[in-house]
Amino acid sequence: QVHLVESGGGVVQPGGSLRLSCAASGFIFRSYGMHWVRQAPGKGLEWVAFIGIGGTKEFYGDSVKGRFTISRDNSRNTVYLEMNSLRAEDTAVYHCARDRGGQQLVFDYWGQGALVLVSS
Amino acid sequence: EIVMTQSPATLSVSPGERVTLSCRASQSVRGNLAWYQQKPGQTPSLLIFGAFTRDTDIPARFSGSGSGTEFTLTISGLQSEDFGVYYCQQYNNWPLTFGGGTKVEI
Repeated sequence: QVHLVESGGGVVQPGGSLRLSCAASGFIFRSYGMHWVRQAPGKGLEWVAFIGIGGTKEFYGDSVKGRFTISRDNSRNTVYLEMNSLRAEDTAVYHCARDRGGQQLVFDYWGQGALVLVSS
Repeated sequence: EIVMTQSPATLSVSPGERVTLSCRASQSVRGNLAWYQQKPGQTPSLLIFGAFTRDTDIPARFSGSGSGTEFTLTISGLQSEDFGVYYCQQYNNWPLTFGGGTKVEI
């Protein structure tokens, strides 16, 4: 049974930083690409970032490029999202999601999410 | 970035009806289009990828069609558990982008 569990969310002031973690279990983590997808309260889905199986390939959404960094630790079955220079518009539930393969770029399993609230 | 536009925004239907949801891309995404269902309070579920391939255990009443810039998700014989919001997503180009969603309600 695939499980993805996010942690690290919370309240942060504009301009602040936060690091999210996503612990994966129930599958061979090192064989799958991983993504972060966010959903602002009452809004639609926005893809944030992707990391390939080896951790050397990364892609980002335009709104977070240069501010967010995705990384992974295959020995810990964990993917991370380092978020810097946070803005009010980054407020959302952040879901980690498994790629359907190494880089199929569709999401077949989702975590329940971590809420990030950017507010002064 | 490729802009995905879904229509209609809301669809009011009755159980048993045939439902057609549309998704349009601002430029060709070839067949690299997926559909997701999100029920209230739940995370999205992958229904269709490759424009028409159902994911594992997705019922046959869900079908996808289209290529290039015009895509359709059809639900043949809507069931009560099918109500929710449906999103399309293109994965032909970076950044990956979603449509704004179509809410299917009673």
